[in-house]
Amino acid sequence: DTGVSQDPRHKITKRGQNVTFRCDPISEHNRLYWYRQTLGQGPEFLTYFQNEAQLEKSRLLSDRFSAERPKGSFSTLEIQRTEQGDSAMYLCASSLVSSIPGELFFGEGSRLTVL
Amino acid sequence: SQQGEEDPQALSIQEGENATMNCSYKTSINNLQWYRQNSGRGLVHLILIRSNEREKHSGRLRVTLDTSKKSSSLLITASRAADTASYFCATPGGYQKVTFGTGTKLQVIP
Repeated sequence: DTGVSQDPRHKITKRGQNVTFRCDPISEHNRLYWYRQTLGQGPEFLTYFQNEAQLEKSRLLSDRFSAERPKGSFSTLEIQRTEQGDSAMYLCASSLVSSIPGELFFGEGSRLTVL
Repeated sequence: SQQGEEDPQALSIQEGENATMNCSYKTSINNLQWYRQNSGRGLVHLILIRSNEREKHSGRLRVTLDTSKKSSSLLITASRAADTASYFCATPGGYQKVTFGTGTKLQVIP
């Protein structure tokens, strides 16, 4: 068990470019979450998958954001036409349906800087 | 939006002292959790307290919960430099979505 893995750890891009982050959850974890965290704030919920189904999306997830979890394993979060306000840490977490509610296992995050 | 608000926002103490941080939340809960985040890293689950519990211990951690006041506290006893981190309270909601507070940044000075 290698834990939740996120890639890349750091991404610097120019405004208007597209970026994609990948998350590999703990194997057999059927729930997967994406959060965004800006400096000095707590993580804010973006979206949630149970297996391959995207069950909830936050209003923070604008049309420029899309998340997928094909086959219920790894997940990708794509941001199109990045803006400076997208600069943040993007955190992925996973859990089991049978887990204690709220006990999430986080990856180390992908830090995005939009110039 | 943030469910919880931690207080204080920042705390600086000497090694060996106790650190107390508080969390207030808005809606009814089944449980409340505390997470820790080292600078630039992911979050690590520390401890859970259920709504029917008033106090819980885990090693040097002590958590209390007052559902009538919608508040919780986290006490770290005999702090160490390695405890330097941000601490967040968190509450689960629909679809097990977890909502985090704003965090307390703890600095333990050796």
